[in-house]
Amino acid sequence: KNQVEQSPQSLIILEGKNCTLQCNYTVSPFSNLRWYKQDTGRGPVSLTIMTFSENTKSNGRYTATLDADTKQSSLHITASQLSDSASYICVVAGSNYQLIWGAGTKLIIKP
Amino acid sequence: EADIYQTPRYLVIGTGKKITLECSQTMGHDKMYWYQQDPGMELHLIHYSYGVNSTEKGDLSSESTVSRIRTEHFPLTLESARPSHTSQYLCASSEWGEGSYNEQFFGPGTRLTVL
Repeated sequence: KNQVEQSPQSLIILEGKNCTLQCNYTVSPFSNLRWYKQDTGRGPVSLTIMTFSENTKSNGRYTATLDADTKQSSLHITASQLSDSASYICVVAGSNYQLIWGAGTKLIIKP
Repeated sequence: EADIYQTPRYLVIGTGKKITLECSQTMGHDKMYWYQQDPGMELHLIHYSYGVNSTEKGDLSSESTVSRIRTEHFPLTLESARPSHTSQYLCASSEWGEGSYNEQFFGPGTRLTVL
């Protein structure tokens, strides 16, 4: 069964600290993997999209990694800011661009 | 400015009412989607459309219906709302075709509460 699992479910860190969010998937065939940021009560916003051949992609303070062999991805946030408080969702595109959505990691940044 | 719009943002209604959630995009995209999301849960695709006069059901069964008469407009209708329809409804759009990531751009969502 195609699945995307994210950990941790929630995370609280202090402003200025770094953190890493994890995503494991069992989607096959694999087309690409996306990370979205979703603020409370808003729609998701794309952070990165990675294909099979890409193993690192950055967007400002966000760096995503992909290991297609182990079917794992991570999202690293550097020097966190209060505005980083949100849910971060891992999404894997399979055949015919069908998207399999993870449940997200809720990140809270405390001052 | 290219964007995707949803109205209303919040809606509280009584059981049995007919409602229509509006979604419009100025992105120039062919493909549009409707998702349902409960708090703290993943998004579930309920409807999508490849273009005008095209509508398809998504992975999650839904009592709602959609129409696509104009490229930029993709409204969702519930004929008789029930408390089980209480949820957040998100509209999205994307390009469609080979060579494209089909990256989806989302509207702000409509939070529906049925009493």
